[in-house]
Amino acid sequence: DGGITQSPKYLFRKEGQNVTLSCEQNLNHDAMYWYRQDPGQGLRLIYYSQIVNDFQKGDIAEGYSVSREKKESFPLTVTSAQKNPTAFYLCASRLGVGQLSTEAFFGQGTRLTVV
Amino acid sequence: DAKTTQPNSMESNEEEPVHLPCNHSTISGTDYIHWYRQLPSQGPEYVIHGLTSNVNNRMASLAIAEDRKSSTLILHRATLRDAAVYYCILRANFGNEKLTFGTGTRLTIIP
Repeated sequence: DGGITQSPKYLFRKEGQNVTLSCEQNLNHDAMYWYRQDPGQGLRLIYYSQIVNDFQKGDIAEGYSVSREKKESFPLTVTSAQKNPTAFYLCASRLGVGQLSTEAFFGQGTRLTVV
Repeated sequence: DAKTTQPNSMESNEEEPVHLPCNHSTISGTDYIHWYRQLPSQGPEYVIHGLTSNVNNRMASLAIAEDRKSSTLILHRATLRDAAVYYCILRANFGNEKLTFGTGTRLTIIP
């Protein structure tokens, strides 16, 4: 089945450690996105990528890093510089590159807890 | 990015129609209007989108004002499973893939 997969669903880390969240899609989509969601809040854009080997900062990129070496994969690293990393992280993809009307597909999310 | 404004929350009775408003007064001529919804503890899912004309699909209808400065998502017969946060978003610039969500409208369905 085609879709977008995030792993793991739950992740626990100690404060000060970097952690990488996985996002894989087999939809042949060009554009991929990472969002952060805090309890009772909306989605905030961290990073997005329009095409392989390219990515742009979203609205809250500080303390995060990404890579886009393959079309299917867009991993997010939460670094120790992120002051409040505990949150629900969502990855999305869409056909992209000028396709204004196409919808985004979301993964089921990774709930990160830093203790 | 063009901004959207939605009420923070709405309530509706089960089996009645629901009209969820969205204002987007700075919309440009090439912006598509998209609606997504997010069920508890899940990622958002696509509901519907449109450009100028009203649109219908199996989930909902989208009514777009003639001046395109506002739109309304219509759930024709709300069920308890429609309780979710509904997001109205715009695609801002052709060729720019940035996709920004606001805070959405939390819809509560009363049995």
